[in-house]
Amino acid sequence: DTAVSQTPKYLVTQMGNDKSIKCEQNLGHDTMYWYKQDSKKFLKIMFSYNNKELIINETVPNRFSPKSPDKAHLNLHINSLELGDSAVYFCASSPSMYSNQPQHFGDGTRLSIL
Amino acid sequence: AQSVSQHNHHVILSEAASLELGCNYSYGGTVNLFWYVQYPGQHLQLLLKYFSGDPLVKGIKGFEAEFIKSKFSFNLRKPSVQWSDTAEYFCAVTTGGSYIPTFGRGTSLIVHP
Repeated sequence: DTAVSQTPKYLVTQMGNDKSIKCEQNLGHDTMYWYKQDSKKFLKIMFSYNNKELIINETVPNRFSPKSPDKAHLNLHINSLELGDSAVYFCASSPSMYSNQPQHFGDGTRLSIL
Repeated sequence: AQSVSQHNHHVILSEAASLELGCNYSYGGTVNLFWYVQYPGQHLQLLLKYFSGDPLVKGIKGFEAEFIKSKFSFNLRKPSVQWSDTAEYFCAVTTGGSYIPTFGRGTSLIVHP
């Protein structure tokens, strides 16, 4: 059973399009995250949700809009895609943002903008 | 804000060689330290962690890391690497005020059989 699953695994699209990435965790965790990993492999936090509530919103363009319908899901919608959005996006979850338990990651979604 | 530096970006070793990957952080207070590994085509998974106590931490697959507070370091070691250790290795730190980890940029390890 995959603990944190994201779809799609690969996403190739053109500039200006709108796309979504879905993430689901079956671990019963309260907190979920989106990270962006750029071409230099830096993993940077984008958003964090705790029990469906937005906790962290780093300096991310407002073209990126996360949505958490319930605490097991955290989807990422991106409007008007730009070349600089090309990256690998990782979803992760942890038991609670108030504890130091390690995060569990999805396999990543490789987004390529043509 | 804290930052994490991994100075070795690419490491190439032969099987049975010893490994040490550097990790330094910049934060003067209490820290919690992690090493994650990402095997090719797979997700990041926890290798080991340090919260408190013995500064020498044992992880899975024969890895260990040593927390040296005076050097702000948490280097990862393995005495004898295997081809299957080929992966990306990420150091991460959380501090007393936040449980959201800051990651280093990763080190790509290639082990030749």
